[in-house]
Amino acid sequence: DAGVIQSPRHEVTEMGQEVTLRCKPISGHDYLFWYRQTMMRGLELLIYFNNNVPIDDSGMPEDRFSAKMPNASFSTLKIQPSEPRDSAVYFCASKNSGGAADTQYFGPGTRLTVL
Amino acid sequence: KNQVEQSPQSLIILEGKNCTLQCNYTVSPFSNLRWYKQDTGRGPVSLTIMTFSENTKSNGRYTATLDADTKQSSLHITASQLSDSASYICVVSARLSNYQLIWGAGTKLIIKP
Repeated sequence: DAGVIQSPRHEVTEMGQEVTLRCKPISGHDYLFWYRQTMMRGLELLIYFNNNVPIDDSGMPEDRFSAKMPNASFSTLKIQPSEPRDSAVYFCASKNSGGAADTQYFGPGTRLTVL
Repeated sequence: KNQVEQSPQSLIILEGKNCTLQCNYTVSPFSNLRWYKQDTGRGPVSLTIMTFSENTKSNGRYTATLDADTKQSSLHITASQLSDSASYICVVSARLSNYQLIWGAGTKLIIKP
C-alpha cells in the first residue's frame, strides 16, 4: 500500500491567496483526519471525517478554513484567504473504524509558507 | 482540563547509550496511551499503544511503560542508534470519544555518533 498521500509537499504563497491541500487516504480506511503542526502549538486536530461525512470540525480555526471529502479516496483542505499565521505543516491521517485503539496513519505532510 | 506533558523537551545522547522519555497526563476518563515517533520532515508513526490494563509494551529497542495510578508513562530506548534521532510524542485518548486524542508537545531526541 502506498500509504496516505498528500500534495503538494511544499507550498509557498502570498497573503490573501487561496491554498488547497490534497489528501488521498489509505484504501479501505473510513476515517480521515486533518491536523496542523507548528512549533508553538504542536499537533492540532482541525477536522475529521467518517465515511466522507464531517464529524467534528471544532478545531478549524476560522471560517477561512474549509474541508471537503467528496469521496472515500480524496479530501481537500482549503484556506481562503491565507494569512502568514497559517504557515505550518498540515498532515492528513486515516484509519479503519473499530474503536479507540486503532492507529492513525499519517501522510508526509504539506509544508505551507504564507508570505 | 485534559493535558499531556512530556519531559525533557530535548535530549542529546551518544550513540549506543540508553535513554528514557517521560509523559505525564491528566486525561480522564482514560482509554489508551500511544507513543509516536516523528522523523524530521515526516508524519508521526505509531510505536506502541497501551490500554488501562497494560503496564509495559515493547517494540524492538523501544519499551513503553504505563502507570495508570500515577498517570505516568515512559519510553525507554535501548542501545540508541543514529536513526533514533526524532521527536517522540505521547498521545492519550479519552474514553468519551474515540477520536479525542490529546497530544503532548514531544521530546526532541538527538543521537550523536
